[in-house]
Amino acid sequence: EAQVTQNPRYLITVTGKKLTVTCSQNMNHEYMSWYRQDPGLGLRQIYYSMNVEVTDKGDVPEGYKVSRKEKRNFPLILESPSPNQTSLYFCASSPTGRGLDQPQHFGDGTRLSIL
Amino acid sequence: RKEVEQDPGPFNVPEGATVAFNCTYSNSASQSFFWYRQDCRKEPKLLMSVYSSGNEDGRFTAQLNRASQYISLLIRDSKLSDSATYLCAVNPGFQKLVFGTGTRLLVSP
Repeated sequence: EAQVTQNPRYLITVTGKKLTVTCSQNMNHEYMSWYRQDPGLGLRQIYYSMNVEVTDKGDVPEGYKVSRKEKRNFPLILESPSPNQTSLYFCASSPTGRGLDQPQHFGDGTRLSIL
Repeated sequence: RKEVEQDPGPFNVPEGATVAFNCTYSNSASQSFFWYRQDCRKEPKLLMSVYSSGNEDGRFTAQLNRASQYISLLIRDSKLSDSATYLCAVNPGFQKLVFGTGTRLLVSP
């Protein structure tokens, strides 16, 4: 089954404790992206990747890091999480990023709470 | 001005009604357009892409008005199961997709 898999689905942690949210897709997609969703602000892009070893900042990259060492994986790293990063996070992928004329497939989401 | 704007609603309609949502975008060079459906804090799922000539999928019709820079979604014969939040998404170029904040639809018996 074609899918985007995120882990964990839920996480409660404390300020400053490094964490990683994993994202993996099995569709051989080139383009992958991370979003956060907050009430009243909608989905905002954090980082995206056009292909292996090619990443770029989205609209809200502060406090986050990503890497793309393999085509299927695109982890989101919070080096020193803070309460304002409490949010619902989605990973998404699409076949290519050029022109983005193809829709994105989303993972189930990760609900992150930073205390 | 936001890149993509939607009326947050909620739109409360009875079953069987026809309802329409609009979504405006600010970048005239925007290249591709989509409507997604999102159920209560679950992942967005593609409802339909929006093509220049307009397109239809069953009870759903999507249209693009480049002159006025908006896309629309029309839902005919609303079902209870159509209750959800509808997100528009626009590619303004630059390998990114910008989402609206969503329009909430509530269909009642």
